[in-house]
Amino acid sequence: EVQLLESGGDLVQPGGSLRLSCAASGFTFSNYPMSWVRQAPGKGLEWVSAIFGNGGTTFYADSVKGRFTISRDNSKNTLYLQMNSLRAEDTAVYHCATYRHPIHFDNWGQGTLVTVSS
Amino acid sequence: DIQMTQSPSSLSASVGDRVTITCRASQSISNYLNWYQLIPGKAPKLLIYTASSLQSGVPSRFSGSGSGTDFTLTISSLQPEDFATYYCQQSYSSPYTFGQGTNLEIK
Repeated sequence: EVQLLESGGDLVQPGGSLRLSCAASGFTFSNYPMSWVRQAPGKGLEWVSAIFGNGGTTFYADSVKGRFTISRDNSKNTLYLQMNSLRAEDTAVYHCATYRHPIHFDNWGQGTLVTVSS
Repeated sequence: DIQMTQSPSSLSASVGDRVTITCRASQSISNYLNWYQLIPGKAPKLLIYTASSLQSGVPSRFSGSGSGTDFTLTISSLQPEDFATYYCQQSYSSPYTFGQGTNLEIK
């Protein structure tokens, strides 16, 4: 059974940094591209970032480009999202997900809450 | 960016009802359209991909149709566990945008 468990969410001040982790199990992690999708309170879903299985290719939404970095450690079956220069509008539950082509997010974690506030 | 518009935004229905949710894209996206179910406290769930393909393990009462700009998700006979929020998502081009969601409530 595929399991994805996010962690690292916290309350952080505007301009601060945070690193999210997603621990994966139940599948061959290195074979799967991964993504982060977020949901702001009371809002819809927003795709944030994606990374290929070998970690060599990454993609970002314009709203986070230059501030967020997606990465993975296939030896630890873990996906990361380094978030810098955080803004109030980054407040959201962040989900990690596997995806297949054409892009559909077929397995999701429950998410971790990031709150950006002073 | 491709804009995805769902209708209705909210819907009240009863167990056993047939329900249809519509999603419209701001440009043609062929059949690159997916549907998800969100229930608070649970991981989001993929229901339908490429407009009409049923994800493994999803009950057959869920179905999807459409191509180009107009798509529908149909639940043939609502069950108590189906009351949730549903989102469409286009995978035609990055950024992979979602609709605003349809909240399906018990009447």
